[in-house]
Amino acid sequence: ETGVTQSPTHLIKTRGQQVTLRCSSQSGHNTVSWYQQALGQGPQFIFQYYREEENGRGNFPPRFSGLQFPNYSSELNVNALELDDSALYLCASSHREPRSSYNSPLHFGNGTRLTVT
Amino acid sequence: TQLLEQSPQFLSIQEGENLTVYCNSSSVFSSLQWYRQEPGEGPVLLVTVVTGGEVKKLKRLTFQFGDARKDSSLHITAAQPGDTGLYLCAGGSNFGNEKLTFGTGTRLTIIP
Repeated sequence: ETGVTQSPTHLIKTRGQQVTLRCSSQSGHNTVSWYQQALGQGPQFIFQYYREEENGRGNFPPRFSGLQFPNYSSELNVNALELDDSALYLCASSHREPRSSYNSPLHFGNGTRLTVT
Repeated sequence: TQLLEQSPQFLSIQEGENLTVYCNSSSVFSSLQWYRQEPGEGPVLLVTVVTGGEVKKLKRLTFQFGDARKDSSLHITAAQPGDTGLYLCAGGSNFGNEKLTFGTGTRLTIIP
């Protein structure tokens, strides 16, 4: 089975720019979650997508937005980048049973390391 | 806001020693997960505990969920260099893993 893949692996942007990060979910998974991991800290939940809709959001401003596509892949978009946005962005996929709140365990990708200068 | 604090933040011990990592919160979680993260990689799930007082063993690793489902511990027996990594606990507020709250992490180094 194909695991979670993220692209690009590394990215350098300038403050004020916009960035798009991509994630392909593991085969058989229909739910994608995004996390931000600052250096030396644990990951923080950004949001989750299920059936192409946002299904839960953490404490992140609206300039963080996302999409999920019919093939369950996902994008994370960040507008008006700030220096504090520098972090490892992790995508995790899982399978949610229809008409159930149960999600299978998360499988994480290796992340995109974003540096904002 | 749910917070999970891990201790110690850093731990460096000799191969063969035992160690315990703690994960504490003032909030109740429906499940508690432990992950290990290697440099340049995403976290990998080690175990999920869901019942207060539950104990799970994974070879030399023993995981325990507190009776009140607010805290957890990870005990490693006879640590080996391959155990080196960042250990993260994560609390789930719903069996659905919709939003995991991660702890601050414990960076473990096993010295050969």
